[in-house]
Amino acid sequence: QQQVKQSPQSLIVQKGGISIINCAYENTAFDYFPWYQQFPGKGPALLIAIRPDVSEKKEGRFTISFNKSAKQFSLHIMDSQPGDSATYFCLLGYNKLIFGAGTRLAVHP
Amino acid sequence: NAGVTQTPKFQVLKTGQSMTLQCAQDMNHNSMYWYRQDPGMGLRLIYYSASEGTTDKGEVPNGYNVSRLNKREFSLRLESAAPSQTSVYFCASIRGGQGAYEQYFGPGTRLTVT
Repeated sequence: QQQVKQSPQSLIVQKGGISIINCAYENTAFDYFPWYQQFPGKGPALLIAIRPDVSEKKEGRFTISFNKSAKQFSLHIMDSQPGDSATYFCLLGYNKLIFGAGTRLAVHP
Repeated sequence: NAGVTQTPKFQVLKTGQSMTLQCAQDMNHNSMYWYRQDPGMGLRLIYYSASEGTTDKGEVPNGYNVSRLNKREFSLRLESAAPSQTSVYFCASIRGGQGAYEQYFGPGTRLTVT
């Protein structure tokens, strides 16, 4: 049974601050590490993803970092905005795709 | 190109009733998934189909059955609904099971079992 551990469960950040969400895994064979974003009443949507051959990928205010030795990848949201308030999930697996438990982010103005 | 569609959008069942949730995708994807999401919780995998003709159990398969009718369609059946199955059900699809992938989600079915 693959293990996906996501933290924190919830996060409150002031506008302009940095939000950091982590995902730890056990299976070292994974080769794709995505983060999904979900707004209330909607299905999740891919936000950003990384392959293990790079340690960091940046897309606008969103950065994903990968630490192969620690078996962990993280999502950083720079200059967090109220519109970033959503639930964020990591997703891992081959065929059998398992989500992390989710992090509910609230960005206060 | 409608992406992933789900029917119905809402459903109320009485305990013991049965129903089938329908999912279809028009992106020629090989793999399809059914997840449930309870209020304030994450998504838990019920069943998945890596390719047409195959289905496998996910994390929480008890009380459900699935059918991969063809490459486009993947249905989820509740044979005897229970209040514990009250949830939002999402169907998703991806092109393949390995390598770079993006899961595309349907709009969800909100099911209440009384």
